[in-house]
Amino acid sequence: GNSVTQMEGPVTLSEEAFLTINCTYTATGYPSLFWYVQYPGEGLQLLLKATKADDKGSNKGFEATYRKETTSFHLEKGSVQVSDSAVYFCAWNTGGFKTIFGAGTRLFVKA
Amino acid sequence: DTGVSQNPRHKITKRGQNVTFRCDPISEHNRLYWYRQTLGQGPEFLTYFQNEAQLEKSRLLSDRFSAERPKGSFSTLEIQRTEQGDSAMYLCASSSEGQFNEQFFGPGTRLTVL
Repeated sequence: GNSVTQMEGPVTLSEEAFLTINCTYTATGYPSLFWYVQYPGEGLQLLLKATKADDKGSNKGFEATYRKETTSFHLEKGSVQVSDSAVYFCAWNTGGFKTIFGAGTRLFVKA
Repeated sequence: DTGVSQNPRHKITKRGQNVTFRCDPISEHNRLYWYRQTLGQGPEFLTYFQNEAQLEKSRLLSDRFSAERPKGSFSTLEIQRTEQGDSAMYLCASSSEGQFNEQFFGPGTRLTVL
């Protein structure tokens, strides 16, 4: 069925470490792919998106590339900061009304 | 602040009581969505409005749940005869009518049913 699978958290890193959060999706058609971030006590915010194969979304030092052949959209950042501590959600949408979310991956960054 | 707002932010109720939540979307957005998020999970779709028309309801939305958007602006979500299993964060989102359907989320209403 339609779904999103993310690596389980929590992920704990030291400041300036490299981050990868894996995400794979199962979807019909040609979905748009998203990463949302939820900081403590706040609502979900769109972090980045990619709308077609081989597109790279980027924002605030985060990047993710739409890989249709592997149905993946892994999130990466070269050097994390304490302020990046949050829950990250991978999601997809086919342009309709419903967005399908993964379970989320909690990231802790230590100073 | 012109983002999506939700009220109340927290609601504690006793089992069997009715509760109502409100969502005010971004003013120029004609699409409005309700999601439910339980601890450790991502948001799950509940229902969707385009203007005042409710166009889709998830099977998660039992008969005790009803949502309205009477004038195509704010929306309410009512839960009748609440159960402990209804305890969750209820999220509202809005979007404009566009191909890539970027949804903007409110802060959510956390419901606790005792």
